[in-house]
Amino acid sequence: GAVVSQHPSWVICKSGTSVKIECRSLDFQATTMFWYRQFPKQSLMLMATSNEGSKATYEQGVEKDKFLINHASLTLSTLTVTSAHPEDSSFYICSASRDAYEQYFGPGTRLTVT
Amino acid sequence: QKEVEQDPGPLSVPEGAIVSLNCTYSNSAFQYFMWYRQYSRKGPELLMYTYSSGNKEDGRFTAQVDKSSKYISLFIRDSQPSDSATYLCAMSAQGGSEKLVFGKGTKLTVNP
Repeated sequence: GAVVSQHPSWVICKSGTSVKIECRSLDFQATTMFWYRQFPKQSLMLMATSNEGSKATYEQGVEKDKFLINHASLTLSTLTVTSAHPEDSSFYICSASRDAYEQYFGPGTRLTVT
Repeated sequence: QKEVEQDPGPLSVPEGAIVSLNCTYSNSAFQYFMWYRQYSRKGPELLMYTYSSGNKEDGRFTAQVDKSSKYISLFIRDSQPSDSATYLCAMSAQGGSEKLVFGKGTKLTVNP
């Protein structure tokens, strides 16, 4: 149990376009979902925390108008990178929590902006 | 000083060796401590979860937390080539529903 999926696993887009990444908890209801980004050989950096039905809480330095997060249901959260630029190229990983103890991570989405 | 410090390695050991991975932290409010394993281009996989101080064992893996020293460890016994991955420590003050603070990760290679 506690499986989290992400779609797509890899996306290439042109500079200036927007990209949507989905994160789903497949076999449990997630009270909280998290979005991270990870640069090569770096650790995970939390971007935002979202709870179903409420606005996401963004970490300092993360542009909320550029990284739109929608937590539509207890099993789905989306991250939209708007007007993407090459510097947004990264590995985006979501996680979901169903209780106070553990976060379960998705497999990640590799975004390449050309 | 960063909240969580972890030597990035890389660490290379022969198959069968005992591996010791460590993290130090500065925030005394941390009570939940986790170790994740991450294979290249994959999401992190939870290996061990410990609350407060003490030891926890699961198969070949043992996690230790020393809150007085703000030091946590992960030991891997009888290491296997399949253990080759990056190991990330993570911690939080209030558990999984709160944001985790990660170490940089230690890249481990187990040579056959």
